[in-house]
Amino acid sequence: DTAVSQTPKYLVTQMGNDKSIKCEQNLGHDTMYWYKQDSKKFLKIMFSYNNKELIINETVPNRFSPKSPDKAHLNLHINSLELGDSAVYFCASSQEYRTKLFFGSGTQLSVL
Amino acid sequence: KNEVEQSPQNLTAQEGEFITINCSYSVGISALHWLQQHPGGGIVSLFMLSSGKKKHGRLIATINIQEKHSSLHITASHPRDSAVYICAVRKTGNQFYFGTGTSLTVIP
Repeated sequence: DTAVSQTPKYLVTQMGNDKSIKCEQNLGHDTMYWYKQDSKKFLKIMFSYNNKELIINETVPNRFSPKSPDKAHLNLHINSLELGDSAVYFCASSQEYRTKLFFGSGTQLSVL
Repeated sequence: KNEVEQSPQNLTAQEGEFITINCSYSVGISALHWLQQHPGGGIVSLFMLSSGKKKHGRLIATINIQEKHSSLHITASHPRDSAVYICAVRKTGNQFYFGTGTSLTVIP
């Protein structure tokens, strides 16, 4: 069983579309994250979320929104996709902020 | 200037060598993470530490809070250690900042 799974692995779409990436963890963690890795392989946090608070990186456009239907899921919705959104997006989880991070395998998003 | 600086950016070593990767940060932190990203793209968390030293197999991570510095050591390096090693800090307030990574290649 994969601890943190995200789907799809690859997503190719046209500019202007709306898309979602799903993330699920079966570790019983209460904190989940979305990270973006750009073409230069630089990682940047987008969101961290637990049942108490959502922390948003101020540089993230409001076209990106996390949705958490329950503690085990944190999906990423992106509206009006732009070329610059092309990147690899990683989901991760931890137990509050006190433990190591467990990462999903990444979603390669290509906006054409 | 990035809040987290790593050195070196690239490192090539012969199998069996002792390797050190350095991380310096400029913000107050709650914890520091060392991550490993393999050529296939997957990311694995190696260590989370807030003080002292941790060891796992051939890997050792140390942190000096006063000097705002951490090191990742690999003893008896092996080609399978070839990967990008990323330092990340969690700032008080739960914001994360990442280094740009150190690309390690271990030659047989």
